[in-house]
Amino acid sequence: QAQLVQSGAEVKKPGASVKVSCKASGYTLIGYYIHWVRQAPGKGLEWMGRIYPSSGGTDFAQKFQGRVTMTRDTSINTIYMELRRLRSDDTAIYFCARGRPFGLDVWGQGTTVTVSS
Amino acid sequence: DIVLTQTQLSSPVTLGQPASISCRSSQSLVHSDGKTYLSWLQQRPGQPPRLLIYEASNRFSGVPDRFSGSGAGTDFTLKISRVEAEDVGIYYCMQATQFPWTFGLGTKVEI
Repeated sequence: QAQLVQSGAEVKKPGASVKVSCKASGYTLIGYYIHWVRQAPGKGLEWMGRIYPSSGGTDFAQKFQGRVTMTRDTSINTIYMELRRLRSDDTAIYFCARGRPFGLDVWGQGTTVTVSS
Repeated sequence: DIVLTQTQLSSPVTLGQPASISCRSSQSLVHSDGKTYLSWLQQRPGQPPRLLIYEASNRFSGVPDRFSGSGAGTDFTLKISRVEAEDVGIYYCMQATQFPWTFGLGTKVEI
């Protein structure tokens, strides 16, 4: 069955960058968008953007424009999300999820990113 | 951006009793293709979200039939016909009609 497995927890200092990976299995990666959603501690869900693995095309929420990059390596069925110039309010769990026209049907387990000096 | 406003349950729910959660959108969620891309997700404690309902009223694969979705335009409802212990968690509505995709703030279901 379709599955997304994310990289492990990260601790970063303010101003640094973090790169989170999301490895797909059980389905053809290039056939579906991968979205990134984050959740700050005790808060709700926030959509960050998406990548179409086939072309590498991306769409981002305006809030993250210029600070986020999403890339892919189709040879290993893996998507990457890099967030730069980290701030303390970037501390969150970051999820990747498979996108369908109607929503997000398969989710990764989440990667905790902690930004602290 | 489209804002989704969810109601909060007034009190803990009783096992075996129904529960209903509302989600109101700041704009119509009818897409230019005629479909309504409003989905409901469940997030159990410590877990990633899970898709329950898509296109307002379609139950996703493997979701128990005690969950149902209804609504159109700007007003939507998720109903649990008989709450079970495993239904504890936070429920989010999400719209995929217009970028950026947005979520409601969530509704907590506790027993």
